[in-house]
Amino acid sequence: EAQVTQNPRYLITVTGKKLTVTCSQNMNHEYMSWYRQDPGLGLRQIYYSMNVEVTDKGDVPEGYKVSRKEKRNFPLILESPSPNQTSLYFCASGWFSDTQYFGPGTRLTVL
Amino acid sequence: AQTVTQSQPEMSVQEAETVTLSCTYDTSESNYYLFWYKQPPSRQMILVIRQEAYKQQNATENRFSVNFQKAAKSFSLKISDSQLGDTAMYFCAFMGLGGATNKLIFGTGTLLAVQP
Repeated sequence: EAQVTQNPRYLITVTGKKLTVTCSQNMNHEYMSWYRQDPGLGLRQIYYSMNVEVTDKGDVPEGYKVSRKEKRNFPLILESPSPNQTSLYFCASGWFSDTQYFGPGTRLTVL
Repeated sequence: AQTVTQSQPEMSVQEAETVTLSCTYDTSESNYYLFWYKQPPSRQMILVIRQEAYKQQNATENRFSVNFQKAAKSFSLKISDSQLGDTAMYFCAFMGLGGATNKLIFGTGTLLAVQP
């Protein structure tokens, strides 16, 4: 079954404590991306990756890092989380001429 | 910069009726994709329909169809025979193909409630 998995699904943490949200896809997609969703703002792209070792900034990259060492994995790293990074995060994979698959979302709260 | 505008924050429709959600966008590119995504209460993002700008024919998927007006930069979604399961947030999205970036830009969403 084609799928994108994210872990954890829910996370409550404190300011400054480094965290990683994992994303994995089983469809051999080259393109992967991360979004955050906030009320009244829709989804905004944080980072995207065109292939292994190729990443680029989206619209709201500040405070985030990503890596793409393998095609299937695209983790999102918050080195020093702050309360304004409290949000719902989605990972997605697949090119836009085909179907883009979204993960189930990660609800992050930073206290 | 490209922008996507959904001017209807909330809409309501009776079951079995037809509803149209509005979306306008701004771009200087000539080739791009437009999308409608559905987000039900489960929060899962589901692709409803996709339109390629170079195709003049409006895309359709079962009860979902779009009215794509390229000159007016308008991309509305029509849902026919609305069902309770259509209750969701709907997002319009744009992706340009001519630039150096590969970003998907979303509107702020329209919350649709289908009433029994």
